[in-house]
Amino acid sequence: ILNVEQSPQSLHVQEGDSTNFTCSFPSSNFYALHWYRWETAKSPEALFVMTLNGDEKKKGRISATLNTKEGYSYLYIKGSQPEDSATYLCAFNYGGSQGNLIFGKGTKLSVKP
Amino acid sequence: SQTIHQWPATLVQPVGSPLSLECTVEGTSNPNLYWYRQAAGRGLQLLFYSVGIGQISSEVPQNLSASRPQDRQFILSSKKLLLSDSGFYLCAWYPGPTNTEAFFGQGTRLTVV
Repeated sequence: ILNVEQSPQSLHVQEGDSTNFTCSFPSSNFYALHWYRWETAKSPEALFVMTLNGDEKKKGRISATLNTKEGYSYLYIKGSQPEDSATYLCAFNYGGSQGNLIFGKGTKLSVKP
Repeated sequence: SQTIHQWPATLVQPVGSPLSLECTVEGTSNPNLYWYRQAAGRGLQLLFYSVGIGQISSEVPQNLSASRPQDRQFILSSKKLLLSDSGFYLCAWYPGPTNTEAFFGQGTRLTVV
């Protein structure tokens, strides 16, 4: 059974703190690794889709890295703001264009002003 | 542009009653469509996926079923709801190829009482 693990499960930080989360996935049959930001009662919103080992992507204060050989990805948030509060999901695509996305349970981030 | 519609947004149903959640996609043809569920305290679990009309794959045995009566319509159903069916249901469209993101409907919060 394919499993995607995310840690920590939840995180409470102060405004201005930098933080990072981990996503672990199977290192075989890798096609892509996705990161999504999910606010309560809204649709998950894509942050990054990463396909190559060593990929590093950045969007504003948020960045991500990918290591497909060892099966992990890190998501970094620099200078957290209260509006960053959300659940951050990673998803592993093991089957190409008709493959399925296996999601982790997410990391719930709360940023206190 | 492509959009994905899901309804209803919230639903409260008694145990033993039937269920029908509908998802439609606009702006594309022959999409890969998915139903996910997040139960309380758990991550997003893939329930069903469909690569075309009448083609349904089930990931986990359960009290639910899915149908794809039209190219851009995906329906999640149950004949008799259980308490354990409560959760947040998301319909998703994954266009492929591997470097593209998945798009989600707004979600349905189902409470079985």
